[in-house]
Amino acid sequence: LAKTTQPISMDSYEGQEVNITCSHNNIATNDYITWYQQFPSQGPRFIIQGYKTKVTNEVASLFIPADRKSSTLSLPRVSLSDTAVYYCLVGGYNTDKLIFGTGTRLQVFP
Amino acid sequence: SAVISQKPSRDICQRGTSLTIQCQVDSQVTMMFWYRQQPGQSLTLIATANQGSEATYESGFVIDKFPISRPNLTFSTLTVSNMSPEDSSIYLCSVEVVGGMNTEAFFGQGTRLTVV
Repeated sequence: LAKTTQPISMDSYEGQEVNITCSHNNIATNDYITWYQQFPSQGPRFIIQGYKTKVTNEVASLFIPADRKSSTLSLPRVSLSDTAVYYCLVGGYNTDKLIFGTGTRLQVFP
Repeated sequence: SAVISQKPSRDICQRGTSLTIQCQVDSQVTMMFWYRQQPGQSLTLIATANQGSEATYESGFVIDKFPISRPNLTFSTLTVSNMSPEDSSIYLCSVEVVGGMNTEAFFGQGTRLTVV
């Protein structure tokens, strides 16, 4: 499974757009990119998944360049409740296991 | 989707004893995963549990220390054996569900284990 690299932490203020970039230089042809969010004392929760170009859902957008060696999770207009750890993972569709990297600890300030 | 019930939610145990953590899923799944998460750290995969076969352990984890049962497609247990303070951690079970557009992992709430 491809290894991922993301910033350890980021700070933002309420109402701002937050972009978290993840590097995955060794991504395989059949790998998908998935982002999870984790709050303290809870298990991770699925945010978004994509293969290429752009994916958008009700909570986030995922931008993937043509070479797929990186991806960017975009959170529009964050609020205090978006303070959490965000994990970028890569793996095959219906992969047999998920390997978590360090994650990015996002702190949103009022 | 999948709803996972994990218990106990927390426990304080004496060193040298064992604790069994239970994970119940509301639907049948082929594989269940057990993770450990130490305070402030990321999740580390312990093993993958398939029904009807022995669990597959990741590097650094062994069956004698973390025996796993998978008696059916909706249930699994993880035992932390002969505990030491270094085993204090949060243990989570997980399943993956393949939907129309996504493969999504669902997690239990975790078991917070403190070994004294």
